[in-house]
Parts: sequence; C-alpha cells; structure tokens
Amino acid sequence: EAQVTQNPRYLITVTGKKLTVTCSQNMNHEYMSWYRQDPGLGLRQIYYSMNVEVTDKGDVPEGYKVSRKEKRNFPLILESPSPNQTSLYFCASSQVFSYEQYFGPGTRLTVT
Amino acid sequence: GQNIDQPTEMTATEGAIVQINCTYQTSGFNGLFWYQQHAGEAPTFLSYNVLDGLEEKGRFSSFLSRSKGYSYLLLKELQMKDSASYLCAVPYTNAGKSTFGDGTTLTVKP
Repeated sequence: EAQVTQNPRYLITVTGKKLTVTCSQNMNHEYMSWYRQDPGLGLRQIYYSMNVEVTDKGDVPEGYKVSRKEKRNFPLILESPSPNQTSLYFCASSQVFSYEQYFGPGTRLTVT
Repeated sequence: GQNIDQPTEMTATEGAIVQINCTYQTSGFNGLFWYQQHAGEAPTFLSYNVLDGLEEKGRFSSFLSRSKGYSYLLLKELQMKDSASYLCAVPYTNAGKSTFGDGTTLTVKP
C-alpha cells in the first residue's frame, strides 16, 4: 500500500530534550516536506527537500533541523524543544513538488 | 510575501450546493490545489487547477482564474460526511515552497 508513515504518532516531552520524528514514504517520491498545524491556522511549511541531500527552509524553520540521506526518509529533528513547538506535525511527499502531496497521519507533539 | 485568503467557516444543508472561495497572491505560480481535512486526520487531495477554467470530478468541481488570483471549490449534493476543513494551497517558485490557506471549516446540517 502506497503510504507516508510517521513515528511517533503522539509524544509528550520536556523542554530541551532532543527528539526526532521519523517520516518514510514508499512511493519513490522525490519531494518531501514537513508542516506544522496549530488551531485556527493552516499548514505552515517548516522544511522541504527536492531530492536526496537537497533541503531548504520553509516559512517557519527556526528550532528545527532535517536531513535527507535516503530518498524514502525525511526525519524532523528538534534539538532543544520549547513549549511553542507544541503542535500537530505532518510529513508529506509528492512525485515532484508541483504535484499533489500525500500526507502522513500526523504527529501530535506536546512540549512541557 | 505569499498570501492566501479563505472564509473561516461555512454552514450548508444536506443535499445543497456550497461554494468555497480562495484568493491568493504569490510570486510564481505552479497551479492551485484543494485538500480536504477531517478533524484529527491528515489532509487528502481533492483537485488541482493549473489553467483557467473549471475542473469537474464527481460531486466536486474547482475553478481557477489566474488573472484574478481566484479559485473556488464547488461541492454539490452535500452529504454529512462532507463536514470537514477545506484547504486551498499554492506551490510557488520553482524551488519547492508551498503556502496553504488557513482552511474553511464546512458544517453540513441535516
């Protein structure tokens, strides 16, 4: 089944404790992206990757890191999480960036 | 900067027709997408317009006017399961950025 998977689905952590949210797609897509969604707001792009080893900042990259060492994986790293990073995070992929995106199920992160 | 505007909320009756509007201002244009998002779930693709005009797909249609920076999503024969948030999205530049509107929450009532 073609899909985008994210882990964990739910995470409660404390300020400053490094964490990684994994994202994997099995569709051989070139483009991958991370978004955060907060109540009343749409999806805001954090980082995106046009292909392996090619990543760039979206609109809200502060406090986040990403890497794209393999085509299928695009982990999101929070080196020192803060409460303002409490949010619902979605990973997405598409064949190329201008095509429709397929979204993972989301990761609900709470930072206390 | 990039800007997308959609109404925050709309209410309609089961069996009726509803039109959700979206206006956008972006640098560069690579088409406009509509996604549906049920509460607590991931967005799913509904439609894509890159040329002016109407694209029809079953009960859903989407319209684009590039000169006006305007699109709408038309939902016919509304069903209760159509209650969801509808997101307008524009990939811009040729480098991979995407902007999403804040979404329109549609409530379908019996």
